[in-house]
Amino acid sequence: GEDVEQSLFLSVREGDSSVINCTYTDSSSTYLYWYKQEPGAGLQLLTYIFSNMDMKQDQRLTVLLNKKDKHLSLRIADTQTGDSAIYFCAESGPLNDYKLSFGAGTTVTVRA
Amino acid sequence: DGGITQSPKYLFRKEGQNVTLSCEQNLNHDAMYWYRQDPGQGLRLIYYSQIVNDFQKGDIAEGYSVSREKKESFPLTVTSAQKNPTAFYLCASTITSGLTDTQYFGPGTRLTVL
Repeated sequence: GEDVEQSLFLSVREGDSSVINCTYTDSSSTYLYWYKQEPGAGLQLLTYIFSNMDMKQDQRLTVLLNKKDKHLSLRIADTQTGDSAIYFCAESGPLNDYKLSFGAGTTVTVRA
Repeated sequence: DGGITQSPKYLFRKEGQNVTLSCEQNLNHDAMYWYRQDPGQGLRLIYYSQIVNDFQKGDIAEGYSVSREKKESFPLTVTSAQKNPTAFYLCASTITSGLTDTQYFGPGTRLTVL
């Protein structure tokens, strides 16, 4: 089965950029996703990238995809205290499978 | 407002009792999912259903059961056979005819077994 890996913790100073990294194993994944989870809440879709793209930018968020190395990253510019949360990377499965494989999540702590 | 609702938000049960967690969506999504979340372990798939009256086991189905009698509803029963049921349970849904397989999540139910 697919295996998605992320580092567990990231601490960043307010106003700096955060970079969250993820590696995945299924080279046939069509889409890769980033979700955000605030304490005690469900997951909120932040952004996704199609596998034939290298980069996607959406306001403060930049997603980079290195398909050769199966590496995905999420950069948050000008990190704010409201960005403190758990961030999950997920990859789609085979076509028509409609299942996602999630990483364990990276807990981002923003310090003043 | 369209969305996914899970109830209750917090649930307490005694050991040995079965308990049913509710998940309802009004997004007209075809597929629905149940995940279990434990600290530091991410999300693990319990059961999923791509169509009414059909469902499949996920990675950790033992001790759980589901039904899908209506498109909008996918209740999860945590049975007394589940060895360690205390966890945060998340329901999700997706449309299977869309461009992506983005899953949308409910707010979750925290189950504590005493």
